[in-house]
Amino acid sequence: GNSVTQMEGPVTLSEEAFLTINCTYTATGYPSLFWYVQYPGEGLQLLLKATKADDKGSNKGFEATYRKETTSFHLEKGSVQVSDSAVYFCALSDRASGTYKYIFGTGTRLKVLA
Amino acid sequence: KAGVTQTPRYLIKTRGQQVTLSCSPISGHRSVSWYQQTPGQGLQFLFEYFSETQRNKGNFPGRFSGRQFSNSRSEMNVSTLELGDSALYLCASSVIAGTGKQETQYFGPGTRLLVL
Repeated sequence: GNSVTQMEGPVTLSEEAFLTINCTYTATGYPSLFWYVQYPGEGLQLLLKATKADDKGSNKGFEATYRKETTSFHLEKGSVQVSDSAVYFCALSDRASGTYKYIFGTGTRLKVLA
Repeated sequence: KAGVTQTPRYLIKTRGQQVTLSCSPISGHRSVSWYQQTPGQGLQFLFEYFSETQRNKGNFPGRFSGRQFSNSRSEMNVSTLELGDSALYLCASSVIAGTGKQETQYFGPGTRLLVL
């Protein structure tokens, strides 16, 4: 079945450090890929998405490229801030079945220290 | 445009009781999905409704049920509550024009349920 695998957290970085959170997926068909962010006590917010191979999603300094050859969608940011501390979820939207449903990774907690 | 709203935000119940949670999607969105989030199991898909019909269902017992109204608002119900039902319940809506279409889900703030 379809699945999403994220790197284990927590990830602890100093402010202005480079961030990479790895995400790989297994899917039949051609899923769309997403990164969501969850701040403490809140729901999930869409961070960025990519709908086909080689697409790059970007938002608020975060980027991720849909790599079909490596089935990956790694999240990167060049310089993190304390305000980026949150839990990040990678997800895919499975459309092979005709309808769709989302499959989420387990989430990666990021802590940025001042 | 208003976002997805969920009520109530917090709820405390005791074992054996039942609970109903409500979700109002973004205006114009016709698909509503429900998820359970716990520290141990992460985000788990409960079910998805579109045009008042359940289209997808996750692996949850029959105590978990839902429905969608003609205005796309959705409710989920959990009967005979167990301690393990304590979780954050998230609702997400999307436009979804038809089958096979990829549409982004937008999440509400969640309802935090505590079962004592």
